[in-house]
Amino acid sequence: ETGVTQTPRHLVMGMTNKKSLKCEQHLGHNAMYWYKQSAKKPLELMFVYNFKEQTENNSVPSRFSPECPNSSHLFLHLHTLQPEDSALYLCASSQDRLDNAGELFFGEGSRLTVL
Amino acid sequence: EDQVTQSPEALRLQEGESSSLNCSYTVSGLRGLFWYRQDPGKGPEFLFTLYSAGEEKEKERLKATLTKKESFLHITAPKPEDSATYLCAVGDSWGKLQFGAGTQVVVTP
Repeated sequence: ETGVTQTPRHLVMGMTNKKSLKCEQHLGHNAMYWYKQSAKKPLELMFVYNFKEQTENNSVPSRFSPECPNSSHLFLHLHTLQPEDSALYLCASSQDRLDNAGELFFGEGSRLTVL
Repeated sequence: EDQVTQSPEALRLQEGESSSLNCSYTVSGLRGLFWYRQDPGKGPEFLFTLYSAGEEKEKERLKATLTKKESFLHITAPKPEDSATYLCAVGDSWGKLQFGAGTQVVVTP
């Protein structure tokens, strides 16, 4: 196992469903991130965890709920989503939150479609 | 507020036709400028970090340079495998990272 692994790679859900995205990193990093990527738009930071503690929540709607049980695993729980939430959700990790915060290692993403 | 603007949005090159991508930025206390490559259906892959004006970094056919207001990613004699979207991001003194929207590069044989 290497790098950052995300599952599932593709997810289709209705607006009333509950689903979760999973991310696992095998790099020994201390910081983990969730980003949202929509077509033609810059990456949007959603959540940051540093040493398992949430350090940032960029005004993300409560229908997105992150969970970080340890420094290697990160989840994004999804509930009552809207069609405009359809996007590529990227997990990333970095050695730490500040000094190497720009050198991110990304997973391949979870492509979410909300019907 | 930090801002990052990449141009052009898209670039179509013939194999061997060198070109440059631009990333202009405004940031409070530059902590680093970062270049990434993203292939379709995949996550971004880290390429370079530049810390101060005048710094240059090279990797194969790619060369990144930095001034006080912008960064350039030069692609020398590109090959079809250089086709990708190239993203730049700036980090500020607060640890915030702001990405640009990217430049999609297509290199045709």
